[in-house]
Amino acid sequence: GENVEQHPSTLSVQEGDSAVIKCTYSDSASNYFPWYKQELGKRPQLIIDIRSNVGEKKDQRIAVTLNKTAKHFSLHITETQPEDSAVYFCAAKDNYGQNFVFGPGTRLSVLP
Amino acid sequence: EAGVTQFPSHSVIEKGQTVTLRCDPISGHDNLYWYRRVMGKEIKFLLHFVKESKQDESGMPNNRFLAERTGGTYSTLKVQPAELEDSGVYFCASSRQGASTDTQYFGPGTRLTVL
Repeated sequence: GENVEQHPSTLSVQEGDSAVIKCTYSDSASNYFPWYKQELGKRPQLIIDIRSNVGEKKDQRIAVTLNKTAKHFSLHITETQPEDSAVYFCAAKDNYGQNFVFGPGTRLSVLP
Repeated sequence: EAGVTQFPSHSVIEKGQTVTLRCDPISGHDNLYWYRRVMGKEIKFLLHFVKESKQDESGMPNNRFLAERTGGTYSTLKVQPAELEDSGVYFCASSRQGASTDTQYFGPGTRLTVL
């Protein structure tokens, strides 16, 4: 079955700097990769996703890149702000199953 | 549109007791999923309903867990009898059927503590 790894587990950056979180997956059949942000005490919220027919997707300060050959995908946050502080989860899904396999999460702290 | 809701938000029970968690998906969403996050670890899949049918229950840990979705609307997840290792946050998510099944919307979760 699919296995998703995520690094780093914690990340601290200064406000205004960039943050990068990387995930790897094991199942080459996976073709959909969402990123969820979970603020303290709140529900996971989808922030960006990418499908396997695309190499990069950007939405304002956040972007996701996908390398299908290497089976890894990354979340990039530029010009970080304190409100970006949260736990970020990556996930992978294939065409056959409907459930996500999540990474263990990255706790991002943006220091003022 | 209203989001996914879950009840209760918190539940504290003693080992051996029974707890029932409820999830109301977004109206019109045929797909309903249960996930669990234990002690800061990854969010793990439990099971998936399509309408009232269990599509995939491969993530259910054991037969102490019973999920139902009678009528294909809300779902319940019962833990009976609860054990200490069942403590965690139980999330429900829903998605549409068809071409947009990929996007799953999560509920706020139920934090279960078994003492």
